[in-house]
Amino acid sequence: NAGVTQTPKFRILKIGQSMTLQCTQDMNHNYMYWYRQDPGMGLKLIYYSVGAGITDKGEVPNGYNVSRSTTEDFPLRLELAAPSQTSVYFCASTTSGGFNQPQHFGDGTRLSIL
Amino acid sequence: DQQVKQNSPSLSVQEGRISILNCDYTNSMFDYFLWYKKYPAEGPTFLISISSIKDKNEDGRFTVFLNKSAKHLSLHIVPSQPGDSAVYFCAASGYGNNRLAFGKGNQVVVIP
Repeated sequence: NAGVTQTPKFRILKIGQSMTLQCTQDMNHNYMYWYRQDPGMGLKLIYYSVGAGITDKGEVPNGYNVSRSTTEDFPLRLELAAPSQTSVYFCASTTSGGFNQPQHFGDGTRLSIL
Repeated sequence: DQQVKQNSPSLSVQEGRISILNCDYTNSMFDYFLWYKKYPAEGPTFLISISSIKDKNEDGRFTVFLNKSAKHLSLHIVPSQPGDSAVYFCAASGYGNNRLAFGKGNQVVVIP
């Protein structure tokens, strides 16, 4: 059981480039989330989704886009990379069977914008 | 505005002793609290949680205490083991859609 899988693990981008961070889960979870973690800080929510076709903004959505065409996949898109987007990105998922369920995290994508 | 606060960013403790991590929150709507453990180059791993209807939850060596009136929770690890060396994040939810607010984390080092 793979859980939450994120690719790539590392990436270096130039300012202005675009890329998609991939996230897939095999637990049939309806709820999925994207967080970023800056050094010495906690995780901040970028976007989340409560099911296929439904997405919503979190605390820090500017500069990012998401889509949710299937239950399994929740890609995060950076259109015009900026140095402020250098961070570690985590994807998470949880079941919607009742509230108060822990989120399960992938191992992250470390992204540097130079 | 940080809604979940973890002070004392680092803690060193001898193996076998108790580790106590503290967390304060400001949002009175939070009703579910979690602790996550994180090793370097890995994602956070769920450790233990507590609902606001309880004041204590125990799972093996880990116990979480909740004081709603003080908006404070703590994590006790007894006895501490070298494998417990990690960063611990406190998180809270009350949004009804499982969104979490995280603290900045506490680095715990267990000395053999």
